[in-house]
Amino acid sequence: ETGVTQTPRHLVMGMTNKKSLKCEQHLGHNAMYWYKQSAKKPLELMFVYNFKEQTENNSVPSRFSPECPNSSHLFLHLHTLQPEDSALYLCASSSLNQETQYFGPGTRLLVL
Amino acid sequence: DAKTTQPTSMDCAEGRAANLPCNHSTISGNEYVYWYRQIHSQGPQYIIHGLKNNETNEMASLIITEDRKSSTLILPHATLRDTAVYYCIVRAAPLDSGGGADGLTFGKGTHLIIQP
Repeated sequence: ETGVTQTPRHLVMGMTNKKSLKCEQHLGHNAMYWYKQSAKKPLELMFVYNFKEQTENNSVPSRFSPECPNSSHLFLHLHTLQPEDSALYLCASSSLNQETQYFGPGTRLLVL
Repeated sequence: DAKTTQPTSMDCAEGRAANLPCNHSTISGNEYVYWYRQIHSQGPQYIIHGLKNNETNEMASLIITEDRKSSTLILPHATLRDTAVYYCIVRAAPLDSGGGADGLTFGKGTHLIIQP
């Protein structure tokens, strides 16, 4: 248990569906991250939020839309995804003054 | 972030010390060496980090060469639960990179397999 939770843990969706991934951290951190891990590829950073403000968008397609309503919650809204978007989506958090990132267990997404 | 080079895979016998090497020959003076690991289908887990001195915690030891161009992560008594992909990452401390948080740049890591 890292103090970072993600729901759902598994998700199957069609290409026309709209779904949202949720991340919550109970560590008092003020930075949160989304990463994507496709099969047999390294983890890729998608988005970074500092104090609820997005500070990095790593050239992510607009069909992925992040939302950070407060420093404890982070969402990833999904719409009109493609089968190649099937992956493990990982959320992480950190303090701005700490070097360590704490990861959640991930959401395993399958797009049909 | 500087690039790192790690072996693709390694085996180690249970109970033995596992020594995982990492080359980072282009590391800058303000960049730290971090190690994370990822057990199958879980999120990555922080292990240890260091700048130039050797470091030890309850999970592992980190040995950094004097020229800082390479390092070794040591798991002193490997168990089957240590089977995972181990990532060596170099990055500047957040306060040295202009403030604010930065994402981590992961490579392919080393798949460590602990044999019974």
